[in-house]
Amino acid sequence: AQSVTQPDIHITVSEGASLELRCNYSYGATPYLFWYVQSPGQGLQLLLKYFSGDTLVQGIKGFEAEFKRSQSSFNLRKPSVHWSDAAEYFCAVGGGSTGTASKLTFGTGTRLQVTL
Amino acid sequence: EAEVAQSPRYKITEKSQAVAFWCDPISGHATLYWYRQILGQGPELLVQFQDESVVDDSQLPKDRFSAERLKGVDSTLKIQPAELGDSAMYLCASSFPSGGANEQFFGPGTRLTVL
Repeated sequence: AQSVTQPDIHITVSEGASLELRCNYSYGATPYLFWYVQSPGQGLQLLLKYFSGDTLVQGIKGFEAEFKRSQSSFNLRKPSVHWSDAAEYFCAVGGGSTGTASKLTFGTGTRLQVTL
Repeated sequence: EAEVAQSPRYKITEKSQAVAFWCDPISGHATLYWYRQILGQGPELLVQFQDESVVDDSQLPKDRFSAERLKGVDSTLKIQPAELGDSAMYLCASSFPSGGANEQFFGPGTRLTVL
């Protein structure tokens, strides 16, 4: 069964500081990995995704993530956090399969607080 | 920009009542998902449709929940009767499958409160 672990429930950083959110996954084959962001009371917005190829992927809003197969990790990073980045961040894993799209399994999320 | 539409955005109901949520996916997206997100947790898949067919409803509490997508476009999720534990955000998502590597686009969700 596929699963995602986000070990940090809550992180606080100062505006302008760097950020790294951790994500570890369990999946029996090549995973498809995603990071989503959710503002309070809103739906989820895709930040970036990894399907194959270059293990360092760039996303929107200045975010990037690195896929490390040996560590089963897909950590999200941003060099300089803005106050508007305060939100809930979810890592998700899905499997590739021909024909029917596969479901996503989400982690429990990391709440990011940004101090001015 | 095309978006997934959901209504209502908020719903307050009393336990034992029936509630229904509606979702209109992005045009052309064959796959539609309903997720439930309990406060403080990540979304969990309730049901997945491919066109009008159910692909996965293994986590759907079928004694009280039902979902349909009759014409393979919009979808309705129903709860009858609602219980206190059903209070959550219900999210709809859609995707256009491409070899299985699908990006899911989410709607704004329906926040359900059961009193």
